[in-house]
Amino acid sequence: QVQLVQSGAEVKKPGASVRVSCKASGYTFTGYYLNWVRQAPGQGLEWMAWIDPNFGGTKYAQKFQDRVTMTVDTSISTAYMELNRLTSDDTAVYYCARAPSDYYGMDVWGQGTAVTVSS
Amino acid sequence: DIQMTQSPASLSAFVGDRVTITCRASQRISSYLNWYEQKPGKAPQLLIYDASSLQSGVPSRFRGSRSGTDYTLTISSLQPEDFATYFCQQSSSTPFTFGPGTKVDIK
Repeated sequence: QVQLVQSGAEVKKPGASVRVSCKASGYTFTGYYLNWVRQAPGQGLEWMAWIDPNFGGTKYAQKFQDRVTMTVDTSISTAYMELNRLTSDDTAVYYCARAPSDYYGMDVWGQGTAVTVSS
Repeated sequence: DIQMTQSPASLSAFVGDRVTITCRASQRISSYLNWYEQKPGKAPQLLIYDASSLQSGVPSRFRGSRSGTDYTLTISSLQPEDFATYFCQQSSSTPFTFGPGTKVDIK
């Protein structure tokens, strides 16, 4: 079945970086965009960026422009999101979610990766 | 950035009730409006895309509509499994933005 499986929970210190992976299965990896969305504890949803695995195109929310890097490894149908210079405000659950293109809703979501930033 | 507002922030309803949630965008979004359901500890699930298209596998009691700048999610007959938080999201332009959510709980 179509699914996105994310890497496990992370605990990081302020100033560190975290990399979250998202492995796709059950569909053509290059046929869908991958979005990254985060949710701080008890808060709403915040879109961070998308990547087009087919051509490598990316789009970032300005808020994350200089701290987020997204990459893909099409040979293993996996996307990565790296967030640098972590602060306590980055404590959240991070989701990857696919969409047919940049105008469409996100129809398949990963299970989420909890990232805790604490000294 | 396009701001999304939702109302109400929360509601209590009985099983079998008709429930309506409204979302409004601060700018024109040309029906690029999606609705998601999220249960505690779980990832969101897409219910409606393009304002009124039912996502595959979603029960037909969920309906999306648009009237001018207002977008509405209607649950025709609330079921026990529908108690959750509902978010709207615009996909008209980046940064994609979500509404703050509407929590639906049992009355």
